[in-house]
Amino acid sequence: AQSVAQPEDQVNVAEGNPLTVKCTYSVSGNPYLFWYVQYPNRGLQFLLKYITGDNLVKGSYGFEAEFNKSQTSFHLKKPSALVSDSALYFCAVRASSRTDKLIFGTGTRLQVFP
Amino acid sequence: EAGVTQFPSHSVIEKGQTVTLRCDPISGHDNLYWYRRVMGKEIKFLLHFVKESKQDESGMPNNRFLAERTGGTYSTLKVQPAELEDSGVYFCASSQNPAVTADTQYFGPGTRLTVL
Repeated sequence: AQSVAQPEDQVNVAEGNPLTVKCTYSVSGNPYLFWYVQYPNRGLQFLLKYITGDNLVKGSYGFEAEFNKSQTSFHLKKPSALVSDSALYFCAVRASSRTDKLIFGTGTRLQVFP
Repeated sequence: EAGVTQFPSHSVIEKGQTVTLRCDPISGHDNLYWYRRVMGKEIKFLLHFVKESKQDESGMPNNRFLAERTGGTYSTLKVQPAELEDSGVYFCASSQNPAVTADTQYFGPGTRLTVL
């Protein structure tokens, strides 16, 4: 069955340091992968997606993610964290080629300390 | 361009009552999705409309949930009667073109439903 795993409930990083939020997936066929962010009292905001092509995808707010087919991973990264990046991050994968429904991970809370 | 809007932002009801959630997608978006996040767990798919038609309702938990999208514009999700386990945040999302592979879904702010 298709699934997404975000192994860390929370990631803590100091401002200015690089950050990584991990995501692994399990799907049959080609994966379509997404990252969303939820700021406090806000809805989910789209950050980036991987459909095909270059394994390194660049998105909003300086975030990027690297698709690794052999490790079935799609980790979210940023070279230099900001306090304002503190939020809840969700990784998602499209369930199959026959549907648009997304399967989400449980979310990772990112805390960036000044 | 206005984003996806949802109403109400919060709803507190008692077990056995009825609640109706509303979602207004981004103008021109044919696809409309409902998801919910229960008890801090993962966000789970409920159903997908293409215009006014239900494309996929495989995630609807039971027949207490009824979703409609009359005229292919806004959508409502009714829970009748509500149970305690229905508490959570209900998200609506929309995307533009059913023919586009993995078109980006844009989410609304969610409705937080609390059933007492």
